[in-house]
Amino acid sequence: GAVVSQHPSWVICKSGTSVKIECRSLDFQATTMFWYRQFPKQSLMLMATSNEGSKATYEQGVEKDKFLINHASLTLSTLTVTSAHPEDSSFYICSARGREPGYTFGSGTRLTVV
Amino acid sequence: SQELEQSPQSLIVQEGKNLTINCTSSKTLYGLYWYKQKYGEGLIFLMMLQKGGEEKSHEKITAKLDEKKQQSSLHITASQPSHAGIYLCGADPLYNQGGKLIFGQGTELSVKP
Repeated sequence: GAVVSQHPSWVICKSGTSVKIECRSLDFQATTMFWYRQFPKQSLMLMATSNEGSKATYEQGVEKDKFLINHASLTLSTLTVTSAHPEDSSFYICSARGREPGYTFGSGTRLTVV
Repeated sequence: SQELEQSPQSLIVQEGKNLTINCTSSKTLYGLYWYKQKYGEGLIFLMMLQKGGEEKSHEKITAKLDEKKQQSSLHITASQPSHAGIYLCGADPLYNQGGKLIFGQGTELSVKP
């Protein structure tokens, strides 16, 4: 079945630095990628939607300059958290959609900013 | 905008007991997804429902979508510790136009041996 590989699975970074999270679709072409954020004991909140080769569409309240999304190819999308602060600490998870119906989720990245 | 309300928010059951989780939408559901998540991990796809009155089963888990397509239920029969986790319902608010999936708040299930 469809698989999305997400890296890293966890990362600790210092305040002020940037962190890049990658999601790769391994056996299908991901025409659309979705990025979610999840706080402890809460549900997934959609941050942005990206289509290959075009700019990402951000949900209301999500800072596009802080959370840079790149979807340069049909198999790779990246989320870069720029100038990270402790409040950015969270669980980030991507989801990919190909030409077939359905969504495939990555395994998530736990970001801790110290 | 479409919102999904899940109930209960948390559930503790004795192993072997049956349980039901509900997902109610403020608008008609054209595609309803059920996922399971272990805290801090990715989502495991369970089932997708599209048609009013549709019912699907996989092992001991059954999901239904009501005729009006505004409510779905997930029923687990003879629960086991392996069923423990967070259950999330998700829906595409634009029905295949935007493609994004929004989620309910989740239901945390604990199964006591």
